[in-house]
Amino acid sequence: DAKTTQPTSMDCAEGRAANLPCNHSTISGNEYVYWYRQIHSQGPQYIIHGLKNNETNEMASLIITEDRKSSTLILPHATLRDTAVYYCIVTYGQNFVFGPGTRLSVLP
Amino acid sequence: GAGVSQSPSNKVTEKGKDVELRCDPISGHTALYWYRQSLGQGLEFLIYFQGNSAPDKSGLPSDRFSAERTGGSVSTLTIQRTQQEDSAVYLCASSLGRTGWSVAFFGQGTRLTVV
Repeated sequence: DAKTTQPTSMDCAEGRAANLPCNHSTISGNEYVYWYRQIHSQGPQYIIHGLKNNETNEMASLIITEDRKSSTLILPHATLRDTAVYYCIVTYGQNFVFGPGTRLSVLP
Repeated sequence: GAGVSQSPSNKVTEKGKDVELRCDPISGHTALYWYRQSLGQGLEFLIYFQGNSAPDKSGLPSDRFSAERTGGSVSTLTIQRTQQEDSAVYLCASSLGRTGWSVAFFGQGTRLTVV
């Protein structure tokens, strides 16, 4: 079973920041938080991952709380092409367990 | 290409036939994963290869499913005596090493339809 819980769906206005939350209250000390997304009919695409510190790359930012029990993925300026299912996964040394994810709809 | 390559992209087979799905991982990647995704459903883990270690087969749904990875590179997922419930997109991913310090990259999948 997935170790994360995410909202089933979210809407975001185009051009605004999309903030996708994830709860992982049972995360262990060495487990990383990964975010992937899946656009219809395509293979999952890596977005970002982190352990303790906040991370930023060209796609997104990852904010991890100090107790590491939750995190937020931030897409700073959402576009219509960001409409997808977003998966939050915690893992270390094993496979990726995908939950149902959050279906993000970016609206014009 | 530089990404994970899967073949065929589409496969239609008759119920009861055997099928083989192929995955070419990114060169140098020691870890390889197979998942499947039924229509409208999430990703279901099947099997995970990591270097020379024994594969994690805990996700294989029945003994009709098997996978091998020859020479630490190409992997083949075999489904024997296919059933209609095997219809799904089969996804392969590879990574440099274990999760935690490496990123897994996915192929575009093989869409299997059992008629």
